[in-house]
Amino acid sequence: GESVGLHLPTLSVQEGDNSIINCAYSNSASDYFIWYKQESGKGPQFIIDIRSNMDKRQGQRVTVLLNKTVKHLSLQIAATQPGDSAVYFCAETTTQAGTALIFGKGTTLSVSS
Amino acid sequence: SAVISQKPSRDICQRGTSLTIQCQVDSQVTMMFWYRQQPGQSLTLIATANQGSEATYESGFVIDKFPISRPNLTFSTLTVSNMSPEDSSIYLCSVGRGSSGANVLTFGAGSRLTVL
Repeated sequence: GESVGLHLPTLSVQEGDNSIINCAYSNSASDYFIWYKQESGKGPQFIIDIRSNMDKRQGQRVTVLLNKTVKHLSLQIAATQPGDSAVYFCAETTTQAGTALIFGKGTTLSVSS
Repeated sequence: SAVISQKPSRDICQRGTSLTIQCQVDSQVTMMFWYRQQPGQSLTLIATANQGSEATYESGFVIDKFPISRPNLTFSTLTVSNMSPEDSSIYLCSVGRGSSGANVLTFGAGSRLTVL
């Protein structure tokens, strides 16, 4: 059967649909997680973050879910718009000062009108 | 958040040459991070650059190939030495939020290098 939270390299949705992008992280010591959006020709931009003491955090049209048991993150985008088309990366780190971000594999989201 | 400017934004280089990428930040930051993004891939950390000390390199990256300078709290350079086509990538400079620490990183637009 299909694994829950399977990472997909690409995701195509219709405008107005809800999008769910999945990510698995590797380090059990990571306690801080961030989603980035990277548009063509630009550097990654911060979308939303979550600390390990939470399992859900909501922003404007975006929600991040954290499942520490299976080391899985998801990014939900409500009412997806063409401007949401980009590559999305999750990143893990710790709250200890000086720790760099480790990036997961990206998912390319394509939104058609 | 900090504003980061990188130069050059893109370049085409010949095999065997070296290129230095500059990263300028509009505020003082303790730590700067250099990442590489190969075509269609995720970001990989090259090194962490602290002002006043030697850069710390990640596994697979060495100072002879990627020398880094960090002369002050607003500027850093990354040199890609003796380039080969495998070095064709986007190189990104980033800084942590605030004057110290990492966590949330702000990125420059990147420098896209193509090595022929």
